[in-house]
Amino acid sequence: EDQVTQSPEALRLQEGESSSLNCSYTVSGLRGLFWYRQDPGKGPEFLFTLYSAGEEKEKERLKATLTKKESFLHITAPKPEDSATYLCAVQTSGSARQLTFGSGTQLTVLP
Amino acid sequence: KAGVTQTPRYLIKTRGQQVTLSCSPISGHRSVSWYQQTPGQGLQFLFEYFSETQRNKGNFPGRFSGRQFSNSRSEMNVSTLELGDSALYLCASSPLSGQGTEAFFGQGTRLTVV
Repeated sequence: EDQVTQSPEALRLQEGESSSLNCSYTVSGLRGLFWYRQDPGKGPEFLFTLYSAGEEKEKERLKATLTKKESFLHITAPKPEDSATYLCAVQTSGSARQLTFGSGTQLTVLP
Repeated sequence: KAGVTQTPRYLIKTRGQQVTLSCSPISGHRSVSWYQQTPGQGLQFLFEYFSETQRNKGNFPGRFSGRQFSNSRSEMNVSTLELGDSALYLCASSPLSGQGTEAFFGQGTRLTVV
């Protein structure tokens, strides 16, 4: 059974204090790993897709990386508006478009 | 380009009733997936439709069903509602079926069963 585990569950940072969120996965045949951001009461907002180990993608203060067992979302010099829940999801061979999500990391950036 | 539109945004229903939720995907997207989000279980896959055909189904009882129309719009139906069906129901659209393409989510329908 595919499993996705995110850590930590919650993270509080001071504005400007860089950190990383972790997403570890156990799947049979990874086809893609996705990062989303979700604000309270809203749908997840797509951030990145990673397909193979060693791949990296960046967007503003966010950088996502992928290894064979885990992915990291690095947040550089975060701002209060980066506060949200960050979700990691995997898509695997034979699962069509189904995404299996982790439970998320709730990030709070204090001014 | 308009995003994924879900209607209604909020619903309150009584146990035993049924409910229908609607999703209009991004123009040109032919794949629509549905997810249930609850505080205890997180985001869980319900089913996916592509070209009016159900391609995959998650581990939910038969009370949960869906369909897709020729214009790619989709509906999901929940019959004989239970208190545990209270959740945020999310629709996601993708340009293609198959794997490795991004899914874009709507704002969701908040269903409360009383």
